[in-house]
Amino acid sequence: QSLVTQPPSASGTPGQRVTISCSGSSSNIGSNTVNWYHQLPGTAPRLLIYNDNQRPSGVPDRFSGSKSGTSASLAISGLQSEDEADYYCATWDDSLNGRVFGGGTKLTVL
Amino acid sequence: EVQLVESGGALVQPGGSLKLSCAASGFNFTVSTMQWVRQASGKGLEWIGRIRSKVDNYATAYSASLKGKFTISRDDSENTAYLQMNSLETEDTAVYYCTRSMFYHDSYGYRYDAFDIWGQGTTVTVSS
Repeated sequence: QSLVTQPPSASGTPGQRVTISCSGSSSNIGSNTVNWYHQLPGTAPRLLIYNDNQRPSGVPDRFSGSKSGTSASLAISGLQSEDEADYYCATWDDSLNGRVFGGGTKLTVL
Repeated sequence: EVQLVESGGALVQPGGSLKLSCAASGFNFTVSTMQWVRQASGKGLEWIGRIRSKVDNYATAYSASLKGKFTISRDDSENTAYLQMNSLETEDTAVYYCTRSMFYHDSYGYRYDAFDIWGQGTTVTVSS
């Protein structure tokens, strides 16, 4: 059971805007930044968002991150078929003194 | 080309040991903090631990859940990081990734990191 909770699945149609939530506590999201990764089937994860809402070079601005209190969200606008992947949030947990990942959300583009 | 290449994955019996390697190229490995993350089949990502650079005395940190079974080391002359795994159990069966830390500061000036470069992973199967 991860300290940081994500919905196991999400879905949307092409062009739609979808959001994926990441819920934690005061010892993790509430006091540390959140990063987001996505993982296409059979490939390694890729950094999507860091520092709650920053995009690395090369990541389209369709992807955006936000955080409020002990929860974070990843929003994907203009959904495309190639966005179908697993998405993970990650943060640091002060109580555990270690990095924690959310359980992952499988995004399906209908 | 910026790249991380893991190797050393194998089939190993329960109770056995294995050492994974992560060869880096295309960036300054000697100043980089390196991390290991694993993923069991059909499951999520699990942080294993990290090793900092020489400037930070090669400090290591590990996930508490691993109970001291794993040891991370590095050889800067070879641009390679290692993961030594002992007392392996079937639950350790997974794809093992090495990754690099990219450091940044939040709005309060605290330093954090994100994993910006990932290897392709190497598969470890623990089975009799």
